[in-house]
Amino acid sequence: KQEVTQIPAALSVPEGENLVLNCSFTDSAIYNLQWFRQDPGKGLTSLLLIQSSQREQTSGRLNASLDKSSGRSTLYIAASQPGDSATYLCALNNAGNMLTFGGGTRLMVKP
Amino acid sequence: NAGVMQNPRHLVRRRGQEARLRCSPMKGHSHVYWYRQLPEEGLKFMVYLQKENIIDESGMPKERFSAEFPKEGPSILRIQQVVRGDSAAYFCASSPVTSGVDTQYFGPGTRLTVL
Repeated sequence: KQEVTQIPAALSVPEGENLVLNCSFTDSAIYNLQWFRQDPGKGLTSLLLIQSSQREQTSGRLNASLDKSSGRSTLYIAASQPGDSATYLCALNNAGNMLTFGGGTRLMVKP
Repeated sequence: NAGVMQNPRHLVRRRGQEARLRCSPMKGHSHVYWYRQLPEEGLKFMVYLQKENIIDESGMPKERFSAEFPKEGPSILRIQQVVRGDSAAYFCASSPVTSGVDTQYFGPGTRLTVL
């Protein structure tokens, strides 16, 4: 059974700082890994999708990496802004198409 | 192309009533997934459906919960005889017909409150 852990559970940083969010998983037989953003009381916005055969994906100030052998993914956010404040979720897709989510990291970027 | 649509966005029910949650997938998507987010907990998979078929319902409680995705119309998640513990945000996601391993696109969710 896949288990997904995200560390830290909460993070507060000053504006402009670069930061890394971590996601670890127990079953490396995955199809893909997705990073999502969730704003309070809102739905999920997909940020990046990394296929099993890929090592990283980039979109703007975001870079996500995947290391299946160690069961880890990181989401790197460059030059953080107050608008980045949200909960970030990683989710893994094993066989069967259902996503297994981590508990999330609540990020607060202070002006 | 409109995104995944869910309605209602907020639903209040008294204990013992029925709750019906609707999900219209993105145009061209025939895979639908339902997830539940309990207060202060992560999202948990409930059920995966394709048109007229339940593919995987391993995450759905055995009692009181059912889901369908008819040939025409939205997917419906039905909760009978609701209890306070059913209060949660219910999210629907859809993915394209070509492959179930594509990105899942999420709707805004339905927030169910049971009084």
